[in-house]
Amino acid sequence: AQKITQTQPGMFVQEKEAVTLDCTYDTSDQSYGLFWYKQPSSGEMIFLIYQGSYDEQNATEGRYSLNFQKARKSANLVISASQLGDSAMYFCAMREGRFNAGKSTFGDGTTLTVKP
Amino acid sequence: DAGVIQSPRHEVTEMGQEVTLRCKPISGHDYLFWYRQTMMRGLELLIYFNNNVPIDDSGMPEDRFSAKMPNASFSTLKIQPSEPRDSAVYFCASSSLGTGYTDTQYFGPGTRLTVL
Repeated sequence: AQKITQTQPGMFVQEKEAVTLDCTYDTSDQSYGLFWYKQPSSGEMIFLIYQGSYDEQNATEGRYSLNFQKARKSANLVISASQLGDSAMYFCAMREGRFNAGKSTFGDGTTLTVKP
Repeated sequence: DAGVIQSPRHEVTEMGQEVTLRCKPISGHDYLFWYRQTMMRGLELLIYFNNNVPIDDSGMPEDRFSAKMPNASFSTLKIQPSEPRDSAVYFCASSSLGTGYTDTQYFGPGTRLTVL
């Protein structure tokens, strides 16, 4: 089974609207971390937001928020007030285990296109 | 602060040649990762180091690939001999558990390798 599943290969959103990118994960660990990265067409991988499994509140970073539903094993990224510059590929990733800072598993990504 | 530095940014070589990719992690980070990204396979973890020691190289595709980290500020990924199927973008990333609980991986700009 895939550890990280991003079911939306592509998404479209109108400029200034909000959009939710889905991510579900599979782990038996109690301690884990969830990450979202943005990869624009220029190719770099940009860290957006982090959610720890023990965090009681949903993470927020500016226009980005993470809708963390632990029981459903879901960590959706919400982008508010979309901008043209948000058009990019978005990756969800998970690191399992508290002291295992090493391996992270990445999803296949969702391509977001923001329409003017 | 300088981010992860990779060189070269682009590399074009002929099949059979040796290729060396270089990475300088963020100062103070004690984990270093090498990833490969292709359209077909997505983002794959090749190998990662902790305190300059290779921890997991199970993602290294075959013996043609080798990675070293002679000190905390430098790592190389070598492909010898290179093959056309090695064409990909190779990312280096670094992270640190440090004093916090978040171990976000920060990526370099990547090296786009083309093997003719």
